[in-house]
Amino acid sequence: DQQVKQNSPSLSVQEGRISILNCDYTNSMFDYFLWYKKYPAEGPTFLISISSIKDKNEDGRFTVFLNKSAKHLSLHIVPSQPGDSAVYFCAASDRYRGAQKLVFGQGTRLTINP
Amino acid sequence: KAGVTQTPRYLIKTRGQQVTLSCSPISGHRSVSWYQQTPGQGLQFLFEYFSETQRNKGNFPGRFSGRQFSNSRSEMNVSTLELGDSALYLCASREGGQAGGYEQYFGPGTRLTVT
Repeated sequence: DQQVKQNSPSLSVQEGRISILNCDYTNSMFDYFLWYKKYPAEGPTFLISISSIKDKNEDGRFTVFLNKSAKHLSLHIVPSQPGDSAVYFCAASDRYRGAQKLVFGQGTRLTINP
Repeated sequence: KAGVTQTPRYLIKTRGQQVTLSCSPISGHRSVSWYQQTPGQGLQFLFEYFSETQRNKGNFPGRFSGRQFSNSRSEMNVSTLELGDSALYLCASREGGQAGGYEQYFGPGTRLTVT
C-alpha cells in the first residue's frame, strides 16, 4: 500500500518557467511533509518542508502548498534553472512520541531545458 | 558543520556473506535513521536509533539490524546477503528527541552490490 504517491515519473520544463511537482498521500495522520532533491550517486538533499497545520511555506524560489482536504501537496519552483534538473522526492513524516520515519514517494525526474 | 558521512561508499559482496555499513551523523544530532533505495521499491525506511536505542523499525526481515554508539555514530548490518539486497543504503540524521526538528539530513549513501 503506497501511502505517498508522485504520479508523474518525469517532467520537462523550459528554463525560466515555473516547475510544479505534485504529491498525494493517503494517511491523514502524517504531521509534516518534506521535499528532497537528489542527484545521481548522492544522497537526497533537503529542500523545503511544511507542517500539516499550514497551507503554504516559501523559501526563495521554492514554495510548497498543502491541501489537507485533498491530501495533496505541490512544490513550485520559480524561475526554473538548469541546476534544478534532478529527481525530486516528496516525503511524509510519520511521528509518534519523538520517533519518526519518513515515507517517500517514488520521485519525479525534473529536466530543465535551456 | 560537517554533513552526514557514510563508509564505505561502494561495496561488493557475495550471496550468503554479511556486511556492516557505518554512519557518522551531523555533530549534535542524536537520531540516526537508515533507508534502502532500490529501483523497484524506491526509498524505504529500515530503522531509527536515538540514544543507542532502536525506536522505530520498518518492514524488513531480521537479517537487517543496526546499533548506535554513545557518540551517536551508527552501524547497520545485513547477514546472509541475498541478491535482492543490492541497493543504495542511506543514513540520515536529525536532532532527535520530542522537541527535535522534523528535517532529516542524508549522507551520500553506500552502494552495495551482491553477486
